Amino acid sequence: AQSVAQPEDQVNVAEGNPLTVKCTYSVSGNPYLFWYVQYPNRGLQFLLKYITGDNLVKGSYGFEAEFNKSQTSFHLKKPSALVSDSALYFCAVREADSGYALNFGKGTSLLVTP
Amino acid sequence: GAVVSQHPSWVICKSGTSVKIECRSLDFQATTMFWYRQFPKQSLMLMATSNEGSKATYEQGVEKDKFLINHASLTLSTLTVTSAHPEDSSFYICSVGGYTEAFFGQGTRLTVV
Repeated sequence: AQSVAQPEDQVNVAEGNPLTVKCTYSVSGNPYLFWYVQYPNRGLQFLLKYITGDNLVKGSYGFEAEFNKSQTSFHLKKPSALVSDSALYFCAVREADSGYALNFGKGTSLLVTP
Repeated sequence: GAVVSQHPSWVICKSGTSVKIECRSLDFQATTMFWYRQFPKQSLMLMATSNEGSKATYEQGVEKDKFLINHASLTLSTLTVTSAHPEDSSFYICSVGGYTEAFFGQGTRLTVV
């Protein structure tokens, strides 16, 4: 079985400060990990993914994430937050050699204040 | 990435009527599409896997007779909510993708009154 945990319902950060949105996962095999962002009443926009290779993955809009196999984590980070980054963020996992559907975390609401 | 178009973006219908939601993959031939449901401030829950030319695969607890899925071509899957009730009000999102990627439609907000 595969699962994703996002331990924080909400993360608050001041504009210009670094931000971290946490994600841990559980799979029995090799994980494929994804981060998506969702704005109100909109679909999901792809930010980045880890499939294989370098543990540090760089994605869209200045976001990056680090795959940590020993801690089974894939935290999303950005060095300097923008007010426009305020949205709902989802971490998702797919286990290699499983089906194509993604298993999502519950989501973390990010609020960046001016 | 692939462009996925979902229509309509929002719909209001009366209780007891049926609503059809379309998911089109504009530049990606999708033998498989996925339908998710999202309740307010909650995560996306997989409802079913739509398979081109064959029956859809439904997740446990999802009524296949209520949520009819048709995947007649490599670019179009439809979800029909039959005999809709207020508890069916939700945000429905489709996705397409291969093994290492997934692209989502913009979602459909269904409100049943």
